[in-house]
Amino acid sequence: EPEVTQTPSHQVTQMGQEVILRCVPISNHLYFYWYRQILGQKVEFLVSFYNNEISEKSEIFDDQFSVERPDGSNFTLKIRSTKLEDSAMYFCASRQGTGTGELFFGEGSRLTVL
Amino acid sequence: QQQVKQSPQSLIVQKGGISIINCAYENTAFDYFPWYQQFPGKGPALLIAIRPDVSEKKEGRFTISFNKSAKQFSLHIMDSQPGDSATYFCAASPHSGGGADGLTFGKGTHLIIQP
Repeated sequence: EPEVTQTPSHQVTQMGQEVILRCVPISNHLYFYWYRQILGQKVEFLVSFYNNEISEKSEIFDDQFSVERPDGSNFTLKIRSTKLEDSAMYFCASRQGTGTGELFFGEGSRLTVL
Repeated sequence: QQQVKQSPQSLIVQKGGISIINCAYENTAFDYFPWYQQFPGKGPALLIAIRPDVSEKKEGRFTISFNKSAKQFSLHIMDSQPGDSATYFCAASPHSGGGADGLTFGKGTHLIIQP
């Protein structure tokens, strides 16, 4: 069964460092998303991406965040200068674009900022 | 107005019992209401979803009840099993879930089914 894959599964970084989280969405999907889940809390929408540009973004997605689809398969989230409060699980998701609105989530990348 | 309020925060149910989780929303533009199930260390996975043209949807032991006038929807798990123990999130989005809009999630319910 096709799945969304994310790397790394866990990254530890120092405050102020840049981090890139990588995702490979399901191949025939057209919409891509990043969500964040702080430990024990709800899943929060960060950004959606369609047709090679950002479609929607939340107030969490400020200037320190950026997304890119550098080739036909990868979808990345960059955090330029990490803060302690960026520590969270980051989930990538993708959606086919037709039919149901089902989002398929990856297993997440845990980011720990020290 | 973007919030989806979910209750209870945690729930313990005996094996074979009925688990009920409730959600309420305010944004009348929402017209797609999925429930996601999340096991520890995994991403959320779609369990069942409903659109407001029906008041109930059933898939196996899982049923969504939807009350459009009250802007509320709930998940019922019949004959709850220990394997159902997980965190459940309700969510909502506009455009029938077909636009680029992200899902707005509730805060989650940690469900434990006791053997």
